[in-house]
Amino acid sequence: EVQVLESGGGLVQPGGSLRLSCAASGFTFSNYAMTWVRQAPGKGPEWVSSISGNGVSTYYADSVKGRFTISRDNSKNTLYLQMSSLRGEDTAVYFCAKEPVAVPGIFDRWGQGTLVTVSS
Amino acid sequence: EIVLTQSPGTLSLSPGERATLSCRASQSVSSSYLAWYQHKPGQAPRLLIYGASSRATGIPDRFSGSGSGTDFTLTISRLEPEDFAVYYCQQYNYSPRTFGGGTRVEIK
Repeated sequence: EVQVLESGGGLVQPGGSLRLSCAASGFTFSNYAMTWVRQAPGKGPEWVSSISGNGVSTYYADSVKGRFTISRDNSKNTLYLQMSSLRGEDTAVYFCAKEPVAVPGIFDRWGQGTLVTVSS
Repeated sequence: EIVLTQSPGTLSLSPGERATLSCRASQSVSSSYLAWYQHKPGQAPRLLIYGASSRATGIPDRFSGSGSGTDFTLTISRLEPEDFAVYYCQQYNYSPRTFGGGTRVEIK
């Protein structure tokens, strides 16, 4: 069964850092682009960052560019999001999502998310 | 950035009724690069529809999508108890990919 499971969320002070992880199973991880999507309280989802299957190409929303870094370890079937210089507006549930090869751009499997709270 | 506006914000219906959800884009979404997702609290979001009208694997045929250009619709023909959830549309025609604000379908 295809599964993705996020971890690493928590409470962090403004200006702090946090690293999220997403463990994948049930599919050949290196064949698929992966994405982080976040959802702030009471808002719709927001695309944050994506990475190609081989990790060479990365993409970021303007709101996180220069502060967040997406990466992956295909030997460990794990996706990461290193977040630094965190702000209150980064408070959200962060989801890891898999992108199908056949239909680039959509997300055919999501995790349940991990909550990041930025507050003093 | 493409803005997706979903309406209504909340839909109060009874099981067995028909639900019609709307998603309007601020610019034309070509080739119907529009998807719909279902999200229940504490669960992973689930892909329902892509390409505006193609059902994802395992999605019951009571879910259907339609539309083109700037106006898209998700229809649930007969609501089952498990269909009460929040639904989001997403466009993947333009970068960045964007989502709508969601429609909550609640039990009346």
